[in-house]
Amino acid sequence: KAGVTQTPRYLIKTRGQQVTLSCSPISGHRSVSWYQQTPGQGLQFLFEYFSETQRNKGNFPGRFSGRQFSNSRSEMNVSTLELGDSALYLCASSTAGPGQETQYFGPGTRLLVL
Amino acid sequence: AQSVTQLGSHVSVSEGALVLLRCNYSSSVPPYLFWYVQYPNQGLQLLLKYTSAATLVKGINGFEAEFKKSETSFHLTKPSAHMSDAAEYFCAVTNYNQGGKLIFGQGTELSVKP
Repeated sequence: KAGVTQTPRYLIKTRGQQVTLSCSPISGHRSVSWYQQTPGQGLQFLFEYFSETQRNKGNFPGRFSGRQFSNSRSEMNVSTLELGDSALYLCASSTAGPGQETQYFGPGTRLLVL
Repeated sequence: AQSVTQLGSHVSVSEGALVLLRCNYSSSVPPYLFWYVQYPNQGLQLLLKYTSAATLVKGINGFEAEFKKSETSFHLTKPSAHMSDAAEYFCAVTNYNQGGKLIFGQGTELSVKP
């Protein structure tokens, strides 16, 4: 099976712009989670989608949003970009349900905000 | 609330020496625990996971970890370090009702000296 894919791999944006990142999960996986990784804050959970519904959400401002499509592909959007949004954004997929399911991570999208 | 503490942001060992990376967790409900490894410019790869079965868990690449409830620990070990083990290692916790939300430690960077 193909792994989790994320596009684009690298992005450069300027403050105030918005950005959309895409994640394609492993075939058959219905849960997609998003994480932000920065040197200062480490890995932080953004949100999780399961069957097109947001099931869990981290402590990020409303500028961060996401959605999931019927084929389980997911997008996350960041509006009004700030310098502090520069980070590696990781997507992970799992089959379904409770927390013991292994999450498989993609290679990430590295976002630089200037 | 759940949390993870990884003791030591940097660990350096000689090739062939024992690797010990420490992880302590806090959880008010039975936890599921994971160790992930991240190589430069890559996503996270699962090394092993504990989901309430055997307390000694064996993973890939010769790594293993022991769940000790009394010590709230889940330390990662490998008997003999290899140069290819140099990477960043993350301990993570979740539980049965957290869906796709993993809480990560701050990470430990492992260096292996020849």
